[in-house]
Amino acid sequence: DGGITQSPKYLFRKEGQNVTLSCEQNLNHDAMYWYRQDPGQGLRLIYYSQIVNDFQKGDIAEGYSVSREKKESFPLTVTSAQKNPTAFYLCASSIGPAGETQYFGPGTRLLVL
Amino acid sequence: AQSVTQLDSHVSVSEGTPVLLRCNYSSSYSPSLFWYVQHPNKGLQLLLKYTSAATLVKGINGFEAEFKKSETSFHLTKPSAHMSDAAEYFCVVSGPGAAGNKLTFGGGTRVLVKP
Repeated sequence: DGGITQSPKYLFRKEGQNVTLSCEQNLNHDAMYWYRQDPGQGLRLIYYSQIVNDFQKGDIAEGYSVSREKKESFPLTVTSAQKNPTAFYLCASSIGPAGETQYFGPGTRLLVL
Repeated sequence: AQSVTQLDSHVSVSEGTPVLLRCNYSSSYSPSLFWYVQHPNKGLQLLLKYTSAATLVKGINGFEAEFKKSETSFHLTKPSAHMSDAAEYFCVVSGPGAAGNKLTFGGGTRVLVKP
């Protein structure tokens, strides 16, 4: 069964702590994306990667970091510099970057203790 | 630059009646347009996609959308709502970005289906 998995489903962060959200895909897609969703709003792009070992900042990259060491994996770290991290985080992938449909994972909800 | 406006933040329909979700877009290019659906605490599922092949696009679960260039609209419809259609719907435009393609999301329309 091909798809995108995200873990954990819920994540709790203490103040000053870095946390990492996992995103894995077995669709053999080149491009992967991280979005943030706040209540009543559409999705905003945090980071994206078109190919292994390369990634670009999206519209709201401050306070976040990513890596793309493997084609199937694109973890997102929410750092202590992100002052308002409570949100629903969605990972997506597409075959390529140009005009391609993006497919989404089930999401991770991050809450601050 | 591109933008998407979903004209209704909430839509309430009775089961068995038609659903209309309105979307207007702005783009400097010939865009690709999408509708996605999101059920509570879930990821987004693609309903349908327009890529200039045909102006009337049929999607999953009985949904369809019509691309009207003169009106810059891409409204989503379904003839008969089902209880399972209660969810949030996003209209999305895709166009060239700084590197590769960029998706711009509308603010979403939450659909309530009454029995």
